[in-house]
Amino acid sequence: GQNIDQPTEMTATEGAIVQINCTYQTSGFNGLFWYQQHAGEAPTFLSYNVLDGLEEKGRFSSFLSRSKGYSYLLLKELQMKDSASYLCAVCDSGYALNFGKGTSLLVTP
Amino acid sequence: EAQVTQNPRYLITVTGKKLTVTCSQNMNHEYMSWYRQDPGLGLRQIYYSMNVEVTDKGDVPEGYKVSRKEKRNFPLILESPSPNQTSLYFCASSLRYGGNYGYTFGSGTRLTVV
Repeated sequence: GQNIDQPTEMTATEGAIVQINCTYQTSGFNGLFWYQQHAGEAPTFLSYNVLDGLEEKGRFSSFLSRSKGYSYLLLKELQMKDSASYLCAVCDSGYALNFGKGTSLLVTP
Repeated sequence: EAQVTQNPRYLITVTGKKLTVTCSQNMNHEYMSWYRQDPGLGLRQIYYSMNVEVTDKGDVPEGYKVSRKEKRNFPLILESPSPNQTSLYFCASSLRYGGNYGYTFGSGTRLTVV
């Protein structure tokens, strides 16, 4: 089966840096996605990693280590609007996209 | 504007009354999928379709049906809804099945079955 783990909740201060971790055990691997979801809204695409290393996109970066089954999403210069759920999703050997349960991030003043 | 459109956004219905949630995309995407999202359980795939007339079960297909007669439309049908199908539903589409195409999600349908 698929197993994707991320912390349930995190809290961080406005202007700070926060790292959201994701570990996975899936049948095969064809890439890892991070999505942002505000309460009651649709998930929106943040990043995609298929090779090891860091992908940077503005204030957001995502890292992947395939040998460790590990990824993280790094958010810099946190803003209040970054309060949301962050979903880790892994594309398996059958190309199905399997989602973790999400990490709820609260940014405080 | 490129988008995935779901209707309705909110629906309250009674047990056993058949309903259909529509999903339409205007991006000529081959791949479409339905998810339900419940607190503490995350997004779980109900059904997916790799192209017209090609559909397959996801992780939680029981109590649902789908059809893909046209590329743009992928309706979700609940023949006899039950209270355990109360959930937030998302339709998603992708250019193709697999790879780094990513998903575009609809705005969601919040369904309550009483």
